[in-house]
Amino acid sequence: GQQLNQSPQSMFIQEGEDVSMNCTSSSIFNTWLWYKQDPGEGPVLLIALYKAGELTSNGRLTAQFGITRKDSFLNISASIPSDVGIYFCAGLYSGAGSYQLTFGKGTKLSVIP
Amino acid sequence: SQTIHQWPATLVQPVGSPLSLECTVEGTSNPNLYWYRQAAGRGLQLLFYSVGIGQISSEVPQNLSASRPQDRQFILSSKKLLLSDSGFYLCAWTIGSSYNEQFFGPGTRLTVL
Repeated sequence: GQQLNQSPQSMFIQEGEDVSMNCTSSSIFNTWLWYKQDPGEGPVLLIALYKAGELTSNGRLTAQFGITRKDSFLNISASIPSDVGIYFCAGLYSGAGSYQLTFGKGTKLSVIP
Repeated sequence: SQTIHQWPATLVQPVGSPLSLECTVEGTSNPNLYWYRQAAGRGLQLLFYSVGIGQISSEVPQNLSASRPQDRQFILSSKKLLLSDSGFYLCAWTIGSSYNEQFFGPGTRLTVL
């Protein structure tokens, strides 16, 4: 089956620093999604990407759909303490009636005030 | 607007006991529904998904089962819980094949002792 490699697995940064994480796959996707999960809660959708090369921002967050359709990255600028959490990428190839997202294993972000 | 509910929020059950977790969605019709399990600090594992009433697809063979008795209700069950069933169970929905964003419920924390 399809697999996503998400990196880094975890990161510790100082408040105010920028953050970058990415996901790569051996298969192509035509949808990339980025979620954030706070402890004890369900993941919340941050950004959805539907076109290769697409660059989309949501406040301090920016995500891009790779040209090859096999990767995506998420950047967070000027991190703040509430950015702490686990960030998941997810990809979908919408072929043959597929309804299943493939999730990365997550990037755990810690922000040091 | 659409909302998704899960209950109970937390559950502690002895090994061998039955299980019933409920998920309901409001504000939409004919959603695709999903059950995921998340072990501590790990990624999301898809357990079941449903594209309509009575239609269940199982992704991982195990002692869990799912049912969809109504359009906006999705139930996860077990006749006899195992220790390995402990985890964080998340329900998610999406409008259908036209939209790929999945939206998650608040989750149920299950501890099997």
